[in-house]
Amino acid sequence: AQTVTQSQPEMSVQEAETVTLSCTYDTSESDYYLFWYKQPPSRQMILVIRQEAYKQQNATENRFSVNFQKAAKSFSLKISDSQLGDAAMYFCARGGSQGNLIFGKGTKLSVKP
Amino acid sequence: EAGVAQSPRYKIIEKRQSVAFWCNPISGHATLYWYQQILGQGPKLLIQFQNNGVVDDSQLPKDRFSAERLKGVDSTLKIQPAKLEDSAVYLCASSSPGVQETQYFGPGTRLLVL
Repeated sequence: AQTVTQSQPEMSVQEAETVTLSCTYDTSESDYYLFWYKQPPSRQMILVIRQEAYKQQNATENRFSVNFQKAAKSFSLKISDSQLGDAAMYFCARGGSQGNLIFGKGTKLSVKP
Repeated sequence: EAGVAQSPRYKIIEKRQSVAFWCNPISGHATLYWYQQILGQGPKLLIQFQNNGVVDDSQLPKDRFSAERLKGVDSTLKIQPAKLEDSAVYLCASSSPGVQETQYFGPGTRLLVL
């Protein structure tokens, strides 16, 4: 089965500190896309960042960056200068062959003031 | 630009009853997805449409679930009859046509089957 694994069910970070969320995935394809989505309590999934596997450069969006290790099939998310509004469930997802998303089980991030 | 709209936001039904969810995608988005998110898990694809046609419904329990996309715009997902294990959040998402375009999600419908 083509799966996405998030090994940290819960994480906690102090406001203004940095936290890294882990994700590993399985695929037999050479070209694919990876995503991190944020789901606050309101439940609306919001795209945080995306990475195209053929690009070696790690994607960055403001305080969010990824560490993409293609050979290890690892795709971690780093959140710098954490803010209270970053508290949410974070889902790692891999793009399927038809464009659908295959999600991990999520990591619940808490931010302490 | 308006986002993906879904209704209702909440629904409580008894097992063996039927229920329907509605989704209106972002204007111009040809691809529409329905995901099921059970508590404590990530969303799982139920069905994917490209315009009017079904691209993937391999994980849709066809004995009880059905979906259609009218004129390539709005979509309806129906469950008949509902089971207890259908309690979940049903998410609709849409994207532009193209290779792995970003999917935009609606607020979801929370279903509780008693």
